[in-house]
Amino acid sequence: KAGVTQTPRYLIKTRGQQVTLSCSPISGHRSVSWYQQTPGQGLQFLFEYFSETQRNKGNFPGRFSGRQFSNSRSEMNVSTLELGDSALYLCASSPRTGDGGYTFGSGTRLTVV
Amino acid sequence: QKEVEQNSGPLSVPEGAIASLNCTYSDRGSQSFFWYRQYSGKSPELIMSIYSNGDKEDGRFTAQLNKASQYVSLLIRDSQPSDSATYLCAVTLSNTGNQFYFGTGTSLTVIP
Repeated sequence: KAGVTQTPRYLIKTRGQQVTLSCSPISGHRSVSWYQQTPGQGLQFLFEYFSETQRNKGNFPGRFSGRQFSNSRSEMNVSTLELGDSALYLCASSPRTGDGGYTFGSGTRLTVV
Repeated sequence: QKEVEQNSGPLSVPEGAIASLNCTYSDRGSQSFFWYRQYSGKSPELIMSIYSNGDKEDGRFTAQLNKASQYVSLLIRDSQPSDSATYLCAVTLSNTGNQFYFGTGTSLTVIP
C-alpha cells in the first residue's frame, strides 16, 4: 500500500516568488492536513481538508492557501515568499476528519533565499 | 500558556532502562491524544493513541492519560538505542473544532 507522497522533496525559491507543493494521500484517506515544521516552532498546523472542503485553518497569513481535489490529492500554495517561510512542509492523511492517527509524507524542504 | 507543552530535553537514559516522557495540555475538553516518534531527518510516525483515562500498553510502550490533571505520558520499557528520537505529543483541542496541536517534542537519547 503506497504511503503519503509529497512532491517535490526539495525546493529553493527567491523572496517574493510563489510556490506550490503537492500531496497525494494514502488511497482511501479523505482527510489531508498540512504542517510547517521549523526547529524553533516545532509542528505548526496550517490547514485540513476533507472531501474538498477546508475544515480547519491554523494561524498563518493569507499568503498560505490550499485546496483538495476530488481524488483527495491536495496542493498548498505560498505566495510572496519570505525568508521566514523556509521550513519543512509536511502533509498528513487520515481516513476521517478529526482523526489524529495521521500518516505523514516525507515532506518538502523549502528554502527561501 | 501553550496548548500542548513538553519538556524539550534532551533526556538521556541507559539501554534497558525505562524512559518517561510527559506532556501537558491546556484544553479540558480534549478527547484524543497521540504520541509520535520522529527520527532525525525523517517525518513523524504514529506510535500510540489514547482516548480514555488510564494506561494503554503496546509492546514496550505504555501511554498514560489523566484528564483531571491534563497530562499524558509515554513510558518506554527496556529502552534500546533505536528508540533515540524526538517524541511528539499531539492533542485535539475541542474549542478549535478538533484541530490537532503538537508539542515541540522531547529529544530522547538511549545510551548503549
